[in-house]
Amino acid sequence: DQQVKQNSPSLSVQEGRISILNCDYTNSMFDYFLWYKKYPAEGPTFLISISSIKDKNEDGRFTVFLNKSAKHLSLHIVPSQPGDSAVYFCAASLNNDMRFGAGTRLTVKP
Amino acid sequence: DTGVSQNPRHKITKRGQNVTFRCDPISEHNRLYWYRQTLGQGPEFLTYFQNEAQLEKSRLLSDRFSAERPKGSFSTLEIQRTEQGDSAMYLCASSPGTVYGYTFGSGTRLTVV
Repeated sequence: DQQVKQNSPSLSVQEGRISILNCDYTNSMFDYFLWYKKYPAEGPTFLISISSIKDKNEDGRFTVFLNKSAKHLSLHIVPSQPGDSAVYFCAASLNNDMRFGAGTRLTVKP
Repeated sequence: DTGVSQNPRHKITKRGQNVTFRCDPISEHNRLYWYRQTLGQGPEFLTYFQNEAQLEKSRLLSDRFSAERPKGSFSTLEIQRTEQGDSAMYLCASSPGTVYGYTFGSGTRLTVV
């Protein structure tokens, strides 16, 4: 049972523009949501998170939005840079145990 | 290096053979997780330990899979009688019990031929 879904396997944007990555979840009990970034041949690395009691968290160029009623979160990257090109995983946590989406491959073109 | 270490990085084995992977977590982390990642998928939860106790196992963890964390430090994941469907990246992660300290290793890529 896939509790966390990323329906877009890939996304391509131009350098300097906004990248928006989307994620949907099914379990309303999740208490934290996180985004991870993964480069080839490396493990996922933590990028940004949001508690279920908030609707927005911002860290530099990265902002995560949470819509609990829709069970939807999104990651905005602005401005996008070529170094942002990677696979981005959405994750949801319940009791500190995480479940991951399938990932979205972001390509930022110079 | 204070990160999560996994060995080996790559393993090629013949179908039917047994393989064992090792994970060394960050030393002060009491939780250790194993995930499997196949092409086009995110990490799928297999099992986790709180210290030496294995607290949860996924349905993905068939009886050919066994994991141990004998002294609450490093962990091993063994796959017996490997099948081609076992080919995947096996990721280990450790945490101090909060999501913010969740740290992944670089993984072990298994290829069963």
